[in-house]
Amino acid sequence: NAGVTQTPKFRILKIGQSMTLQCTQDMNHNYMYWYRQDPGMGLKLIYYSVGAGITDKGEVPNGYNVSRSTTEDFPLRLELAAPSQTSVYFCASSPSGPGGQPQHFGDGTRLSIL
Amino acid sequence: GDSVTQMEGPVTLSEEAFLTINCTYTATGYPSLFWYVQYPGEGLQLLLKATKADDKGSNKGFEATYRKETTSFHLEKGSVQVSDSAVYFCALGSGAGSYQLTFGKGTKLSVIP
Repeated sequence: NAGVTQTPKFRILKIGQSMTLQCTQDMNHNYMYWYRQDPGMGLKLIYYSVGAGITDKGEVPNGYNVSRSTTEDFPLRLELAAPSQTSVYFCASSPSGPGGQPQHFGDGTRLSIL
Repeated sequence: GDSVTQMEGPVTLSEEAFLTINCTYTATGYPSLFWYVQYPGEGLQLLLKATKADDKGSNKGFEATYRKETTSFHLEKGSVQVSDSAVYFCALGSGAGSYQLTFGKGTKLSVIP
C-alpha cells in the first residue's frame, strides 16, 4: 500500500536548469496537489488538479508547470530553476467528495538551487 | 479569504507534561478542520479532524474540539512523550466546491526526557 510516492527525494540544480518532480498515487484519488514548504512558512499551494486533464493554479504558481494525463500521475516541472525555488516540495492527493477531505502526502522532494 | 493562525513555536515540554497548541481560523461557511503532524524528514500525516461545530476529533491521545463560537480548534494531549516531538499543522478545508486546504505555519514541539 504505497500511497503517494515522490521522486527524487533530494536534488541539487544549477540556476537555469530544468527538471521534473514526479508524483504518483495508487489510491484512485481524483484530486492531487503540489505544495512547497519553506522554513517557518507552512505550506503554500502551487498547483492542483481535480481530475485527469484538469489543472489549476494555486497561491504560488509562477515558475512551475503541471500536467495530469492520468489519474495516478501529477508531475511538477521547473523550467528555469531560480534560487528562490529552493524548498521542500510535497505532493498530496484526496478523494472526491465535499470540500475539506483529508489529504494524503508524499515524503517530499528536497530541492536546492545553486 | 480563509486563514489559519496557530501559536508560534518552538514549544519545549518535559515528558508527561500537558500540551496545548492554539489554533484559530477565519472562514466563510462551515469548514472542516484538521490537525496534521510532520515527523523529521517525512511528509504530513493526518492526526485528527472535525467536520462540524462541537465535533471532537481524537487520535493517539490527542484531542481537538471544533468551537464555532470562538472559531478555534486547539490541540491538546494530557501527557506527551518524546515520540510526540514533531511539527504540528492546523488546517482548514472550505465547504462544497473548494477542495483546497489552508494551513497554519506550523508549531514545532520538542519533548525532553
